[in-house]
Amino acid sequence: GAGVSQTPSNKVTEKGKYVELRCDPISGHTALYWYRQSLGQGPEFLIYFQGTGAADDSGLPNDRFFAVRPEGSVSTLKIQRTERGDSAVYLCASSLMGIGSGFTGELFFGEGSRLTVL
Amino acid sequence: AQSVSQHNHHVILSEAASLELGCNYSYGGTVNLFWYVQYPGQHLQLLLKYFSGDPLVKGIKGFEAEFIKSKFSFNLRKPSVQWSDTAEYFCAVLRSNYQLIWGAGTKLIIKP
Repeated sequence: GAGVSQTPSNKVTEKGKYVELRCDPISGHTALYWYRQSLGQGPEFLIYFQGTGAADDSGLPNDRFFAVRPEGSVSTLKIQRTERGDSAVYLCASSLMGIGSGFTGELFFGEGSRLTVL
Repeated sequence: AQSVSQHNHHVILSEAASLELGCNYSYGGTVNLFWYVQYPGQHLQLLLKYFSGDPLVKGIKGFEAEFIKSKFSFNLRKPSVQWSDTAEYFCAVLRSNYQLIWGAGTKLIIKP
């Protein structure tokens, strides 16, 4: 499809398990973002990629969270030793350009991956 | 720290009523402001944005928003809502050119 694709759409796991969430951005978009949305709140920034590199990972809550984008397209958010507080909807977004000239501020979001940690 | 406040978490209106959703931000510098919408079962999408110029910006589906710098506000308006406007609306301010700071959202329900 033409939009941002996220898989899985739903993931239920047990406390302590490892989880991977995948994002396939719009083709040609150089910038990719991960956000987390908890119930009743707006999205919270996690990490931003420009190409293959993480330009800013300051939003990752701790070292259990890690994300990669090895070929500058698909990205994977990895969560180790999951905790109940990690339960949220994880949103991926992409934009044609990142920071600097040409950035319009419009992000294209996927439908999110709902993570439930029991 | 920058923050965004949306005053109403839930709004219920009848069709054809006028809509105004409040958004206030805390940031003293140049601001870029956005309203995003999430229809039931769908992804977030951009409704409208303000970067510079005319403080009254028009977006899709008849929505508009006015940037009032002196009030640190960017309220969303629509003169006559439709049932299809039922959605959650988020205000956001752009920080450091790539981090969006989001409000908590307003759930809008339009009664047919």
